[in-house]
Amino acid sequence: NAGVTQTPKFRVLKTGQSMTLLCAQDMNHEYMYWYRQDPGMGLRLIHYSVGEGTTAKGEVPDGYNVSRLKKQNFLLGLESAAPSQTSVYFCASRQPFRDTSNYGYTFGSGTRLTVV
Amino acid sequence: AQSVTQPDIHITVSEGASLELRCNYSYGATPYLFWYVQSPGQGLQLLLKYFSGDTLVQGIKGFEAEFKRSQSSFNLRKPSVHWSDAAEYFCAVGSGAGSYQLTFGKGTKLSVIP
Repeated sequence: NAGVTQTPKFRVLKTGQSMTLLCAQDMNHEYMYWYRQDPGMGLRLIHYSVGEGTTAKGEVPDGYNVSRLKKQNFLLGLESAAPSQTSVYFCASRQPFRDTSNYGYTFGSGTRLTVV
Repeated sequence: AQSVTQPDIHITVSEGASLELRCNYSYGATPYLFWYVQSPGQGLQLLLKYFSGDTLVQGIKGFEAEFKRSQSSFNLRKPSVHWSDAAEYFCAVGSGAGSYQLTFGKGTKLSVIP
């Protein structure tokens, strides 16, 4: 029962480099999310997807792109990394709301990214 | 837009003492409320959630929370804190059909004095 798996777990980038964070879930969830966590800021939503082939912007989307080509995967891309993107990134997934019994988010264990 | 306020950035309690972490939310419709806990270097673990019905919700690890609509609050409580409860706690608000997002507060860090 893997749930939500994020790769890599740690990464150090130089300013201007690009990279992709992968989120994979095996629960057949429709909705997937990318959050970033910074000290004293809680978790802020970057982008989300409500189904395969769809994406939408969250609260802090600038500097990031996402893709949801397969239902089970949600990719977060940084085209030109900046020190301000140093953060811990969390992926989450859930099913559409049908009733309270199925309503819950499952989070991955996070990716710690440092941009120098 | 929905929002969550956790007024206390850092709380320190002695082991065995009672605990209350405050959470206030802003949401136009019926809110669905959550408390998560995060240990250092770890992901988020769900403590409890409120959807409807009984306003006192029981969760894991001996935690409970009370929903008070008139005060727009969802405070987390524990009668006797253990050293292992030291962590960061996040309150979050979401909703059901028609909304996709879960909005988090900025968190309250709990330190426990042995």
